[in-house]
Amino acid sequence: SQQGEEDPQALSIQEGENATMNCSYKTSINNLQWYRQNSGRGLVHLILIRSNEREKHSGRLRVTLDTSKKSSSLLITASRAADTASYFCARGPGRSNDYKLSFGAGTTVTVRA
Amino acid sequence: SAVISQKPSRDICQRGTSLTIQCQVDSQVTMMFWYRQQPGQSLTLIATANQGSEATYESGFVIDKFPISRPNLTFSTLTVSNMSPEDSSIYLCRELGQGTYEQYFGPGTRLTVT
Repeated sequence: SQQGEEDPQALSIQEGENATMNCSYKTSINNLQWYRQNSGRGLVHLILIRSNEREKHSGRLRVTLDTSKKSSSLLITASRAADTASYFCARGPGRSNDYKLSFGAGTTVTVRA
Repeated sequence: SAVISQKPSRDICQRGTSLTIQCQVDSQVTMMFWYRQQPGQSLTLIATANQGSEATYESGFVIDKFPISRPNLTFSTLTVSNMSPEDSSIYLCRELGQGTYEQYFGPGTRLTVT
């Protein structure tokens, strides 16, 4: 079952603008991961943030995690047309020997040229 | 990370038939998983493919409908049996390497059942 909820469901921005999407979850986590999916193809792993981390960067991506609020955000800075995709958060469960991921509903991002 | 390939990349099948999807990883991996993504939806875990033993299925998925094999640490198959249009989805395999929580997906198999 889906354990992460994302908002917004869809986001349309102009090239060069920043895009922010949020993910909330209900139970404890070991880590939270963000993925990108282009046009219904395979998922690309973007960032993993562990439960003891608060912020992580990778290029133009910035992920934050607030375990007290059970929420995470993904920020894409200086967006490009190639960033047009669906973005999913996936919760890694709290038990260290459980490697299943529970995916949120996803945010569809459209970057207009 | 390991390189994962899937075959076929897409297929159109008739109702009542079966399709076997292959997932190949270029290195030995600890765990492999199969997911389904129905049109416009998120990913749902079907099962964990266990090497040398029966797969572990999630609630709502059964072996008769989705038999899975994993004969070694680099290969797994998922069969979608007795297909109906509701099985039209993207099917993705995922691998988990040793010593990491980061997990990588294959490119997916887009299945359309008519």
